[in-house]
Amino acid sequence: GDSVTQMEGPVTLSEEAFLTINCTYTATGYPSLFWYVQYPGEGLQLLLKATKADDKGSNKGFEATYRKETTSFHLEKGSVQVSDSAVYFCALSDLDYGQNFVFGPGTRLSVLP
Amino acid sequence: NAGVTQTPKFQVLKTGQSMTLQCAQDMNHEYMSWYRQDPGMGLRLIHYSVGAGITDQGEVPNGYNVSRSTTEDFPLRLLSAAPSQTSVYFCASSYSDRPPLHFGNGTRLTVT
Repeated sequence: GDSVTQMEGPVTLSEEAFLTINCTYTATGYPSLFWYVQYPGEGLQLLLKATKADDKGSNKGFEATYRKETTSFHLEKGSVQVSDSAVYFCALSDLDYGQNFVFGPGTRLSVLP
Repeated sequence: NAGVTQTPKFQVLKTGQSMTLQCAQDMNHEYMSWYRQDPGMGLRLIHYSVGAGITDQGEVPNGYNVSRSTTEDFPLRLLSAAPSQTSVYFCASSYSDRPPLHFGNGTRLTVT
């Protein structure tokens, strides 16, 4: 079945550092790809998404590009803030093949002042 | 808008007890689902529903029952709790079965 692999972390960075969280996937069809963020004590919130190859999703300074050739959707941010400390989940949705959402294990990010 | 509301936020059960985790959404979403979140395993789908009166199993359905008598509510029942069901449970909904999913704030369940 479909699957998502991402670096589990934890990732610890200093404020204003560059962030990359790697995400790769395997899928039968042509999935949509997502990054969700979970702040402490809260549910998951959609951060950004991409629905086709070479699409770039972006939000709050975060970006990720749908790379079909490498089956990847890496999350990047040029300058992280303390408020970005959270758990980040990569996910896919492959509904044309009857596949509900599949989530990666999550990557915990801690940003130090 | 309240969005997706889950109750309770925390619950402690003894092995063998039963309980129901409540989930309600006010967005008129057709699709609702339950996930459990365990360390290092991401979110795993327990059950889902594409509309009132329709439910189906996800990846890890054993030990859980669901029903969908209204569009708004999708309760998750544990009939006989086991320590392996200690987890954080999330309810999520969306319009039809298309993304994005909207999540509740979770229920942290401990079974002793």
